[in-house]
Amino acid sequence: QLQLQESGPGLVKPSETLSLTCTVSGDSISGSSSSFYWGWVRQAPGKGLEWIGNIYHSGSTDYNPSLKSRVTISVDTSKNQFSLRLTSVTAADTAVYYCVRRFGSWPDYFDHWGQGTLVIVSS
Amino acid sequence: DIEMTQSPSSLSASVGDRVTITCRASQSISTYLNWYQQKPGKAPKLLIYAASSLQSGVPSRFSGSGSGTLFTLTISSLQPEDFATYFCQQSYSNPLTFGGGTKMEIK
Repeated sequence: QLQLQESGPGLVKPSETLSLTCTVSGDSISGSSSSFYWGWVRQAPGKGLEWIGNIYHSGSTDYNPSLKSRVTISVDTSKNQFSLRLTSVTAADTAVYYCVRRFGSWPDYFDHWGQGTLVIVSS
Repeated sequence: DIEMTQSPSSLSASVGDRVTITCRASQSISTYLNWYQQKPGKAPKLLIYAASSLQSGVPSRFSGSGSGTLFTLTISSLQPEDFATYFCQQSYSNPLTFGGGTKMEIK
């Protein structure tokens, strides 16, 4: 059974870089169907959901334009992990960050989610 | 960006009620519309994809309909475990966007 698990610091200082890793078990990122993408969605406290971006096992990426200048998603197929880097964080980046698997071909949906990790931006 | 608007933002209902949530897209998205359920402190869970297809394992009391710009999620007979927040999401074009959510509470 596919499982995704986020890991990383729960507290980041303003202007610094947020870094999270998602470890995938139960499936191989590199061997998975060509329809699957691996990505990140975040949810500010008490707010709605925001798509951050995703990566294909080949390394090609898509990002939300609202975050594109600050975001990098990368993949390490040897460790079956993918990662998120968000630079120059502010309090507005405080959120629960979920790693997700996206079935990117029709009909295109997020079918697996990690449990989420809360990242607080504060000095 | 395609804006997704849900109504109502909150809903008070009783066990056994039939409830409907509406999601409206700012432009036509065909049937590229998904619904998720989120319980407090948990990750969202996929309920419905492609506007009307039930995800495996989801009870048949959940149903979805619509196309173009107007969509609905219906729960035919509310169960205690259905009290949660529901989000719609469009996958027609990047950036993928979500509705603001509908919080379903016990009356």
